[in-house]
Amino acid sequence: GESVGLHLPTLSVQEGDNSIINCAYSNSASDYFIWYKQESGKGPQFIIDIRSNMDKRQGQRVTVLLNKTVKHLSLQIAATQPGDSAVYFCAEKGQGGKLIFGQGTELSVKP
Amino acid sequence: GAVVSQHPSWVICKSGTSVKIECRSLDFQATTMFWYRQFPKQSLMLMATSNEGSKATYEQGVEKDKFLINHASLTLSTLTVTSAHPEDSSFYICSAIYKTDTQYFGPGTRLTVL
Repeated sequence: GESVGLHLPTLSVQEGDNSIINCAYSNSASDYFIWYKQESGKGPQFIIDIRSNMDKRQGQRVTVLLNKTVKHLSLQIAATQPGDSAVYFCAEKGQGGKLIFGQGTELSVKP
Repeated sequence: GAVVSQHPSWVICKSGTSVKIECRSLDFQATTMFWYRQFPKQSLMLMATSNEGSKATYEQGVEKDKFLINHASLTLSTLTVTSAHPEDSSFYICSAIYKTDTQYFGPGTRLTVL
């Protein structure tokens, strides 16, 4: 069935370094992907999205890369800050507008 | 823009009682709302899709008589956990979309059933 998975459940980085969070998806027909940030006890917060007709999209300090050949998605956070500490989920749009979430990566930023 | 609220933010109830959770889109009209459940350290699990004016579509394994969903208007959907039991304790999150693919999430409701 459809699934979206993450390679690493936890990631620890030094403040100021760049972070890269990876995600693999299984449905080659998927055309829309989103990254969400979820802080403890809160709902997911939209970070950035990308459609399948693009390979790269940039936001403020974040970049999403899409490699359709290997069905891989990544989120890059530049100059990681303590406030970036959270769980990051990739999600894939499924049928009927549903989102299929990956397992999540917990990002920990060391001062 | 695209703000979604939930009420209450947390609730504690006794086993056997029913609990209603509200989800509101504050600055847009949501054609579709979704309800998720999340256990600690786990991902979000979709429970049901709610469209205004029609019956909700439940995911496989989700009991529709247990989790009643009403989408009465384009800005409000409610989830009622009927005859709640301790195993229903969880973090419930709603999301809403309007003419786009992007889902905007509410802050979540922490339900604890004693």
